[in-house]
Amino acid sequence: EAGVAQSPRYKIIEKRQSVAFWCNPISGHATLYWYQQILGQGPKLLIQFQNNGVVDDSQLPKDRFSAERLKGVDSTLKIQPAKLEDSAVYLCASSRWTLEQFFGPGTRLTVL
Amino acid sequence: DQQVKQNSPSLSVQEGRISILNCDYTNSMFDYFLWYKKYPAEGPTFLISISSIKDKNEDGRFTVFLNKSAKHLSLHIVPSQPGDSAVYFCATAVYSGGGADGLTFGKGTHLIIQP
Repeated sequence: EAGVAQSPRYKIIEKRQSVAFWCNPISGHATLYWYQQILGQGPKLLIQFQNNGVVDDSQLPKDRFSAERLKGVDSTLKIQPAKLEDSAVYLCASSRWTLEQFFGPGTRLTVL
Repeated sequence: DQQVKQNSPSLSVQEGRISILNCDYTNSMFDYFLWYKKYPAEGPTFLISISSIKDKNEDGRFTVFLNKSAKHLSLHIVPSQPGDSAVYFCATAVYSGGGADGLTFGKGTHLIIQP
């Protein structure tokens, strides 16, 4: 069984630029999560999808962050415009109807 | 306000001895508690979990203990092996019937196993 795929693995941009991350969850996993992990911190949930509907986006900074999950499979997370404090690793995870979440390798974003 | 606290940023243990990682939480609504292990440049991987109705769960060398009255859980690794060197995250979840909500993570503890 293939794991959660994410791309790109690394991205460097300047502040005020836009950036997008892509996630392909494990086949058959209905729930998809995006987390932000700032250096020295634990991952923080940004948004949770159930199929293609949003379950929880209470911690997503909606003035600059957006996310979608087309057809209940792949998902993209976008930041527009980026700020210095957005520098972090962005992790995508997926799960079935269980607690265990499977994480992708993450995208390391550096905002200069 | 941190709902999940791991107060030891790092822990060094000799190979073959017991490693004990600790975690405290503040929210009594949490149903499940999980431990994730993370190697550099990889995503976290699930290690072991425990329901709030239990006080112990064991899986091979890994045992998690839950003390609900103290809002404290711990992960015991016996015996510790070099491959156990990683960052360990404590995480909590509320199970809403149709699936788990997003996890709330602590800051992690970097476990170093000394040869």
